[in-house]
Amino acid sequence: NAGVMQNPRHLVRRRGQEARLRCSPMKGHSHVYWYRQLPEEGLKFMVYLQKENIIDESGMPKERFSAEFPKEGPSILRIQQVVRGDSAAYFCASSPLGQGANQPQHFGDGTRLSIL
Amino acid sequence: AQKITQTQPGMFVQEKEAVTLDCTYDTSDPSYGLFWYKQPSSGEMIFLIYQGSYDQQNATEGRYSLNFQKARKSANLVISASQLGDSAMYFCAMREISSGSARQLTFGSGTQLTVLP
Repeated sequence: NAGVMQNPRHLVRRRGQEARLRCSPMKGHSHVYWYRQLPEEGLKFMVYLQKENIIDESGMPKERFSAEFPKEGPSILRIQQVVRGDSAAYFCASSPLGQGANQPQHFGDGTRLSIL
Repeated sequence: AQKITQTQPGMFVQEKEAVTLDCTYDTSDPSYGLFWYKQPSSGEMIFLIYQGSYDQQNATEGRYSLNFQKARKSANLVISASQLGDSAMYFCAMREISSGSARQLTFGSGTQLTVLP
C-alpha cells in the first residue's frame, strides 16, 4: 500500500516566485491536512480539506497561501510571491472519511522549501 | 497558551537504558487523544503510540509505553532498552475530539533524543 506521497521532496525558489507543493493521500483517504514545520519547531496546522471542499483553513496565512483538493488529482498547497520566511518543511497527512478519534494521521515525507 | 508543552529540548540516554520524554497538555475538552511521533534526521514523521482520554490503561507498543496521568495532564513517553536507531526528534501531539476543531493535531516543540553507545 502506497503511503501519503508528497512531491517534490525538495523545492528551491527565489523570492517573489510561486511554490506548488503536491500531496496524494493514501488510497481510500478523502481527507487531507497540511502542516508547516519551521526550523527547530513542531508542526503547525495550516488547512484541512476534503475533496473539492476546504473544511478548516484557520492556520493558513491570509495572504499568498492557498490550498485545494480537486475531485481528481492531488491536493495542492500554493504559495505565491514567496519570501524568506516561507522556508520550512511542509507536511501533508491524510485520513479516511469518518476517521476515528484514536486513528493517527499518516504523514508524507514532507517537502523542504528553501527560498533564496 | 501552549496546548502541548515539551520541556526537554534535548535528552541523552545510554544504549540499552530506559528514557522518559515529558509531555504536558492543556485542554478543556473532555474527549481528546494524545499521540507521539518520531522524526529521524531524514525528516519523515513516524507514528509511535496513542492514548485516549477515556482509556483506563496506559498504552504500550513494543518498547514504547505512555505514562498517562490524567489529573496532572501529562502523557510521558517511555522508551525501554534504548537503541542507537532511537536517536531522533520526538513530538507529542493532541487531538481534541468534541470541540469541533476539525480533528487536526496540535504538536509540541519536540525533544531531541540522542542515544549514546
